[in-house]
Amino acid sequence: EVQLVESGGGLVQPGGSLTLSCAASGFTFSNYAMSWVRQAPGRGLEWVSTISGGGAGTYYADSVKGRFTISRDNSKNTLYLQMNSLRAEDTAVYYCAKNQRSSWLYNWFDPWGQGTLVTVSS
Amino acid sequence: EIVLTQSPGTLSLSPGERATLSCRASQSVSSSYLAWYQQKPGQSPRLLIYGASSRATGIPDRFSGSGSGTDFTLTISRLEPEDFAVYYCQQYGSSPWTFGQGTKVEIK
Repeated sequence: EVQLVESGGGLVQPGGSLTLSCAASGFTFSNYAMSWVRQAPGRGLEWVSTISGGGAGTYYADSVKGRFTISRDNSKNTLYLQMNSLRAEDTAVYYCAKNQRSSWLYNWFDPWGQGTLVTVSS
Repeated sequence: EIVLTQSPGTLSLSPGERATLSCRASQSVSSSYLAWYQQKPGQSPRLLIYGASSRATGIPDRFSGSGSGTDFTLTISRLEPEDFAVYYCQQYGSSPWTFGQGTKVEIK
């Protein structure tokens, strides 16, 4: 069974940094691209970033480009999201999700982790 | 960026009734690269449909997807109590991948 478990969320001040992790199991991690999708409280879903299976390709939404960095350690079956220069509008539940192929292109998200809450507030 | 507009915002129906949810794209979605997700309160989204009409593993056949180009539909043939939730469409044919704002299916 595929399992994705996020961690690392919490309360951070505006301008601060946080790193999220997503531990994956139940599949050959390096064979699949992985993504982060977020959901602000009471709002809809927003794609944040995707990384290819080998880690060479990384892709970002304009809203986080230059501030967030996605990475992965295939030896540890773990996905990361380094978030810098955080803003109030980054407050959301962050989900990691498995893509359907190694390439970042043309992927839907299945399954999703349970999510980790990031709150940016002073 | 492709904008997805879902309608209606809220659908009030009774168990056993048929639900028809719409997702309209601002531009054509290439190769019908459209997915549907279900989200219940306090839970993460669950994939229902991909490729506009293919059911994901384990999804009951009362869920069906159709459409192409700019107009897509999710149909729930007979609502079960566990189907009352929020439904999102998502296109993955053109970066950035985008979601609709969601349709809430509530008990009438």
